[in-house]
Amino acid sequence: QSALTQPASVSGSPGQSITISCTGTSSDVGYYNYVSWYQQHPGKAPKLMIYGVSNRPSGVSNRFSGSKSGNTASLTISGLQAEDEADYYCNSYTSSTTWVFGGGTKLTVL
Amino acid sequence: EVQLVESGGGLVQPGGSLRLSCAASGFTFGSYGMSWVRQAPGKGLEWVSVISDRSSWTHYADSVKGRFTISRDNSKNTVYLQMNSLRAEDTAVYYCVKHLSGSYCFDYWGQGILVTVSS
Repeated sequence: QSALTQPASVSGSPGQSITISCTGTSSDVGYYNYVSWYQQHPGKAPKLMIYGVSNRPSGVSNRFSGSKSGNTASLTISGLQAEDEADYYCNSYTSSTTWVFGGGTKLTVL
Repeated sequence: EVQLVESGGGLVQPGGSLRLSCAASGFTFGSYGMSWVRQAPGKGLEWVSVISDRSSWTHYADSVKGRFTISRDNSKNTVYLQMNSLRAEDTAVYYCVKHLSGSYCFDYWGQGILVTVSS
């Protein structure tokens, strides 16, 4: 159950787009289309932003999008806003009937 | 409105036990799987355990297998996490989370409860 690999930090200016990668293995990210992404502001509980690789829950801005290729999933945030500054975690269901998170990525809006 | 409210956290000595509870409301509790996810201070998220809607199956992270037990009481809309043989590395905020049906992800989270294992 090794954690998925995410960059520790990414940054971008308001209005720009950024992409956060999430690399796993053929037993998790590459096995199912059950990758999800969570946003966490300091001191708050995480919030579901993307599920099933590319689906947005009701109420989540369409500036957030997800994709997957092989063992790597990606979260793209377009039109960056100050409120997007947060930690982002990817998650995947695994072939062992468990779930695994990425190490988290700190997004800084410059 | 979906609400998940954790209780039962606190300070416990290494080797001790603690039982967390999560009271759910605002949805048909007995129709959804539930998990516990934890976050050590300043660290990332770690999935801990899952229980199916009718308690027919459970699964655990290797880090807690044999020490933690998840259970639920659908008549009380409550899910539990019994934690035994606690270690310093179990110190974390523990979140109760609801599964999004059919999507293998977590759509609602509790506010979290702190468990500190220290002498």
